[in-house]
Amino acid sequence: AQKVTQAQTEISVVEKEDVTLDCVYETRDTTYYLFWYKQPPSGELVFLIRRNSFDEQNEISGRYSWNFQKSTSSFNFTITASQVVDSAVYFCALEWYGTNRDDKIIFGKGTRLHILP
Amino acid sequence: EAGVAQSPRYKIIEKRQSVAFWCNPISGHATLYWYQQILGQGPKLLIQFQNNGVVDDSQLPKDRFSAERLKGVDSTLKIQPAKLEDSAVYLCASSLEGGGLPGEKLFFGSGTQLSVL
Repeated sequence: AQKVTQAQTEISVVEKEDVTLDCVYETRDTTYYLFWYKQPPSGELVFLIRRNSFDEQNEISGRYSWNFQKSTSSFNFTITASQVVDSAVYFCALEWYGTNRDDKIIFGKGTRLHILP
Repeated sequence: EAGVAQSPRYKIIEKRQSVAFWCNPISGHATLYWYQQILGQGPKLLIQFQNNGVVDDSQLPKDRFSAERLKGVDSTLKIQPAKLEDSAVYLCASSLEGGGLPGEKLFFGSGTQLSVL
């Protein structure tokens, strides 16, 4: 069965500290996509990154970086030098092909991140 | 570029009443999704449209929920009659292609927060 686990329900760090959000996934498919979305207090989820299962290259975008490891089925997200504006709920998501070749997406339960000034 | 528009922003009803939500996706986006997000959980897909056809409604409680996307543009989601457990945020999202082309990023609206008393 497909599953996304974000074991950290809530994290609080002081501004400028680094923080890593964990995501572990389960799938039997060889072709899949992984995503991270940010949900600020305004409510809409904002796309951050997507990775396909064949691309294990880590990615850095400004203060954000992602570590994809198929060997451990993990797709972790690190914020370097955190800022108060990073406070939000972060969701990891898994997308794969369904039995009818339609794409299916499931989200983890999210990690609420508090950046304290 | 205008984002995904949803209304109303908040709705409070009593159980057994009916309620409707409206969504207008980003112009040109073929695929539209309705998600239910219960407090403390990740979004759960209710229904996915590709243009005006249903791609996936396997998790839609069809005895009380209905959705339509006339003319392949905006969409309405209806609940009749509502139950206490329907209290949640209802998110609308759209993507440019979707429906068999995984890896598309989703653009979300701010959601409608429904409280059923």
